[in-house]
Formats: sequence, structure tokens, C-alpha cells
Amino acid sequence: QKEVEQNSGPLSVPEGAIASLNCTYSDRGSQSFFWYRQYSGKSPELIMSIYSNGDKEDGRFTAQLNKASQYVSLLIRDSQPSDSATYLCAVTSGGSNYKLTFGKGTLLTVNP
Amino acid sequence: GAVVSQHPSWVICKSGTSVKIECRSLDFQATTMFWYRQFPKQSLMLMATSNEGSKATYEQGVEKDKFLINHASLTLSTLTVTSAHPEDSSFYICSARDLLLSNQPQHFGDGTRLSIL
Repeated sequence: QKEVEQNSGPLSVPEGAIASLNCTYSDRGSQSFFWYRQYSGKSPELIMSIYSNGDKEDGRFTAQLNKASQYVSLLIRDSQPSDSATYLCAVTSGGSNYKLTFGKGTLLTVNP
Repeated sequence: GAVVSQHPSWVICKSGTSVKIECRSLDFQATTMFWYRQFPKQSLMLMATSNEGSKATYEQGVEKDKFLINHASLTLSTLTVTSAHPEDSSFYICSARDLLLSNQPQHFGDGTRLSIL
């Protein structure tokens, strides 16, 4: 059973702070890693993708990948109330570069 | 960017009704589309992988005779929930991959909220 684990939260941070979201996965063959943001009642929206070890930055978002530790994280700098949502970690299954396994998501609340 | 259109957004119908949901890739070709189901406060669960021109691949525990998938073209996949019952009420979401771009993320439709009375 290939699994993706996330801290379900809720994670609460003050406006302007850094929010740190973590994810671990069990399939060592996974090649692609994604963070999606999902507002209540809406479908997931891609925030970041990362494919190699290290950091990847896009605006206020930084994804970090460590394949040896089977760990991927998302940092949100200068958190805004509009960042309040559920963040889903998704990982491709080993042997398939497109079939995704999702974590249960972390609910983030940014307090004004 | 890539756009996936899903229709309808909401369906409310009586128990025993069959419901068809459409998923279209608007500006790219998709040999593969995916159908997910999400119950309240839970994550997305993959139901099936829809392959253009061939039979869909269903995940363990998903009844292929109840959830009929047709992927007749590179831009359209449909999911039909046959003889729907209240326990089928859920948020159904499709996604698609661009045929020309390997290793790229899936693009999601806006989802269909299905309520069976």
C-alpha cells in the first residue's frame, strides 16, 4: 500500500508568519511531487511541483524535496489570510509517472 | 495555462437515477484522464484512469459496472454513475494530462457535487 502522510492540522499561523507543511511518502520509486491548494468546496489548484532533491522557490512558496528521507515540504512565507485552505501533498506512484496518490491534506488557517 | 472543464457543477436527483458527468480538456489533448471522488473532510481518492480509445482502469473497490467511463476522444471523458443512491453523494473531480508534456502535473476540473435524495 503506497501511502502519503501529512499532518492533518489544523495549522494556525498569524498573518505575515511562515507556514510550514510537511509530507512523507512510502514509495521510493516516486519521481514527481506536487502541492495542491484546495479551498472549501472547490477542486485542487496546483501550487508547486518538484522533481529533484533540494529547494524550489516560486514567489512566497518554497518546496523542499529529500528523496533519501522520503520527505517533501512546502513553506509559505508572509502568510496571508487568503492562504487559508487545505494543502494536499501528491506523489506519483513508482512505475507510473502520472498516477497520483494524495495525502489527506493539512488545513491551514492564517489569522489576521 | 491548461484548462479542464467539468460539467455539470451540481446535480441533485432522486435515488435510482443515472447521472453523467463530462470532463473536457479545452486547450490540450489528453490520452489519460482521471476520475476522483472526495467525501467531506477527506482527501481525493482515485476511482479510475480513463484511457482514450480503450477500457478504463479501475482502482480496487470501485465497481466498474456502477461507474461507467467512456473516453471516446482526446478531449472528452465521461463518468456515468448508474442507479445512484444516497451513498454515492460526493464531490467528483476529473483531471487530465497533456499528451505532449511528460512528467507534468495533472490539471483538475472544477468538480461536480452530486447529491442523491
